[in-house]
Amino acid sequence: EAGVAQSPRYKIIEKRQSVAFWCNPISGHATLYWYQQILGQGPKLLIQFQNNGVVDDSQLPKDRFSAERLKGVDSTLKIQPAKLEDSAVYLCASRPGSNSYNEQFFGPGTRLTVL
Amino acid sequence: GESVGLHLPTLSVQEGDNSIINCAYSNSASDYFIWYKQESGKGPQFIIDIRSNMDKRQGQRVTVLLNKTVKHLSLQIAATQPGDSAVYFCAETVTSGGSYIPTFGRGTSLIVHP
Repeated sequence: EAGVAQSPRYKIIEKRQSVAFWCNPISGHATLYWYQQILGQGPKLLIQFQNNGVVDDSQLPKDRFSAERLKGVDSTLKIQPAKLEDSAVYLCASRPGSNSYNEQFFGPGTRLTVL
Repeated sequence: GESVGLHLPTLSVQEGDNSIINCAYSNSASDYFIWYKQESGKGPQFIIDIRSNMDKRQGQRVTVLLNKTVKHLSLQIAATQPGDSAVYFCAETVTSGGSYIPTFGRGTSLIVHP
């Protein structure tokens, strides 16, 4: 079974530029998450989708971050404009469905460096 | 600054020893707990989970202990191997209403010396 795919794996941009990340979850997984992981810390949830609807985006900095999952499959996360403190690994994860105890599968992440 | 949070708690063990990694969680309403392993350059990988109606759960070479009284979790790895070297995170979540939004702890770096 293919895992969660993310691209690009690495991105370097200058502050105030825009950047977008892409995630393809495991086939059939209804729930998709985006996390931000700053170096030396645990992942912090940015947004959770159930199919193409947003379940929780309370920790998404909506003035600069946006995410969509238009067809309930792939998702994109965008930062516009980027700040230095956005340097982090952006992880995408997916789960099969609404059962609270389904395992969550993570992609390899996109490492963003903002200069 | 960038140095904040860089210095993870670290556990160094010899190959073959047993390892115990500890985690304090914050939300007394959390009822489901998960341990993840994260190797360099990879996303977190599920190791073992435990529900709040249990105090111990065993997997292959791993055991998780839950003490709800003091809000403490531990992960025990038996006969630690060099391949176990990674950062280990505990995560807590409240599952009421079918939600699953784990909150991750800071992580512990496990270094296994051959």
